[in-house]
Amino acid sequence: AQRVTQPEKLLSVFKGAPVELKCNYSYSGSPELFWYVQYSRQRLQLLLRHISRESIKGFTADLNKGETSFHLKKPFAQEEDSAMYYCALNTGNQFYFGTGTSLTVIP
Amino acid sequence: DGGITQSPKYLFRKEGQNVTLSCEQNLNHDAMYWYRQDPGQGLRLIYYSQIVNDFQKGDIAEGYSVSREKKESFPLTVTSAQKNPTAFYLCASSTNIGRTYEQYFGPGTRLTVT
Repeated sequence: AQRVTQPEKLLSVFKGAPVELKCNYSYSGSPELFWYVQYSRQRLQLLLRHISRESIKGFTADLNKGETSFHLKKPFAQEEDSAMYYCALNTGNQFYFGTGTSLTVIP
Repeated sequence: DGGITQSPKYLFRKEGQNVTLSCEQNLNHDAMYWYRQDPGQGLRLIYYSQIVNDFQKGDIAEGYSVSREKKESFPLTVTSAQKNPTAFYLCASSTNIGRTYEQYFGPGTRLTVT
């Protein structure tokens, strides 16, 4: 069963526009959720985790248990945000990754 | 970079041959993982190991094998039984405390089988 769903494979926004990358999860326990990012020619790396409740590079993500969502948001997109973004769920034994969203920020 | 390394970066093999991908970490992490990354499919877990001399199958373990004889090393063998082995393979490691730990990823190995 798909535990993490990212409905958008591709997302394009203009520089300065708000951006939202969607993530929904399916898990009966208490979820631990993360966003990972992969910039061109770089390794996959952690962007942020829900438990930290922090803003990284202007991005935030709020866990909504009622909607089982963990959408990633940024109010003003920058060209350097263009990358592949993965939402991930940690169940304690495994990480489950979504299929990823490729974000392109148009200058 | 350092931390977690994978070698080689590119690997070419003929169909029918087994091939072993290397993954080493110096982060003193207990847990290590192997993923396969295909376009449009995200990361899919092949095998994982939470402690030395122990490992479990992930979602797509068929045609793969692993060993975990040392804490630092978690090699993956792609056997000839793997029907579609050409892919990008990612190794990761993490601590094993609680559930708030993150995974650290290697740079990946791109395997091409012809």
